[in-house]
Amino acid sequence: EPEVTQTPSHQVTQMGQEVILRCVPISNHLYFYWYRQILGQKVEFLVSFYNNEISEKSEIFDDQFSVERPDGSNFTLKIRSTKLEDSAMYFCASSVSLALEQYFGPGTRLTVT
Amino acid sequence: RKEVEQDPGPFNVPEGATVAFNCTYSNSASQSFFWYRQDCRKEPKLLMSVYSSGNEDGRFTAQLNRASQYISLLIRDSKLSDSATYLCVVNIGNNDMRFGAGTRLTVKP
Repeated sequence: EPEVTQTPSHQVTQMGQEVILRCVPISNHLYFYWYRQILGQKVEFLVSFYNNEISEKSEIFDDQFSVERPDGSNFTLKIRSTKLEDSAMYFCASSVSLALEQYFGPGTRLTVT
Repeated sequence: RKEVEQDPGPFNVPEGATVAFNCTYSNSASQSFFWYRQDCRKEPKLLMSVYSSGNEDGRFTAQLNRASQYISLLIRDSKLSDSATYLCVVNIGNNDMRFGAGTRLTVKP
C-alpha cells in the first residue's frame, strides 16, 4: 500500500539554525500539507500546497516557514532561524483531491535546543 | 467556542463494550468530516470519512448532523487494539483541516 514517507525521523538543531524537513507524498496525490503537533497538544494545520503554490496557510505559518516541491517527488518544509517553541512533531500529508481524505507520514520530531 | 470540540475523556471500557464519542464544530461552512485515530507518538491514521447519511465500517459507525454541527463515532464490541486517541477532523474549506484535541480510549481485558 502506498504511503507518505518523511525524513529524517528525528532532527536536533540549535536555536537560530535553519532546518529542512523532507517528505515524499503518495505518488498520484496532488495536494500536500504540513502539520505540527507540540507534545501533548493537538495537531495543527500549517499549510496546504497544490499546483506548485500555497493554497492555504494558517496563522502559525509565518515568514520563518516556507515550502517547496523541488522535484517531482519531494515536498519540503523549511524553517529559518528556529526557535525553542518550534520543537514539535511535524507531519506531512497528501490527498488525491480537495476535501478528500488525507494520509499522513510518520512525522519528523524536531528538537530545538 | 473552539473550532472542533470533543469529549475530553479518557474513556476506560472493558473488552466487548460499546463506546460513543461526540464532536461539535463551529464553522457551518465546513465541507468534509473525518475520524482519525492516533497511537502514542505516531501519526494520525484515517479511520473513516463521515457522510451526511451516516456510514458504517465493520464495528465502527459514524454519524453527521449538519443542522446541529455534530459528529459522532460509535465503536461496538471494542477490542484491546482499539485503545488509542480518536481525533475528530473537520475540513473548514480550501483543505484547511482542523483537528479536535482528541479523546483517549483505553480498552481493558
